Amino acid sequence: NAGVTQTPKFQVLKTGQSMTLQCAQDMNHNSMYWYRQDPGMGLRLIYYSASEGTTDKGEVPNGYNVSRLNKREFSLRLESAAPSQTSVYFCASSEADTQYFGPGTRLTVL
Amino acid sequence: GENVEQHPSTLSVQEGDSAVIKCTYSDSASNYFPWYKQELGKGPQLIIDIRSNVGEKKDQRIAVTLNKTAKHFSLHITETQPEDSAVYFCAASSSSNYQLIWGAGTKLIIKP
Repeated sequence: NAGVTQTPKFQVLKTGQSMTLQCAQDMNHNSMYWYRQDPGMGLRLIYYSASEGTTDKGEVPNGYNVSRLNKREFSLRLESAAPSQTSVYFCASSEADTQYFGPGTRLTVL
Repeated sequence: GENVEQHPSTLSVQEGDSAVIKCTYSDSASNYFPWYKQELGKGPQLIIDIRSNVGEKKDQRIAVTLNKTAKHFSLHITETQPEDSAVYFCAASSSSNYQLIWGAGTKLIIKP
């Protein structure tokens, strides 16, 4: 089992560019999550998907969109990147309350 | 909504000594309290968790205690080793939606 995988590992964007962060899990979990992690602020939930076909906003959804493509995959899209979106992004999945995390994507927006 | 506060933000202990990290939560409906360890450049990894029907749980050198009345829970690491150096996060959730609310993290430094 690979667990939760994320691509890419690193990305540099210019302000205004768009990109999609990919996440996949092979644990047959129903729920998937996208977080961002900034220094000194812990993890903040961007969007989550409780099951295939559903998505909901988390604490900091502005500037992001998500797609739950199927049970395995949950993508995060930045339509017009801003410097404030410079962060490390983590995807996670869970069946109930225990969440399992991917290795993260380090995104820099110039 | 739920709020989780974590202290201290940085903790430095001598190798072999014990380390204690404390968290408080605000929502009395919270019933699940995990602790995650994050090593540099990696995603958080669950190390231990506790549910509200239990007061203490132990796994080798790590233990977690929960005081529901006071709404706080703590992580205890005994006989600390260099590989314990990492950032530790506490979190809380309720069974109504399973969303985790996170503390800000504690950087644990083990001095040789």
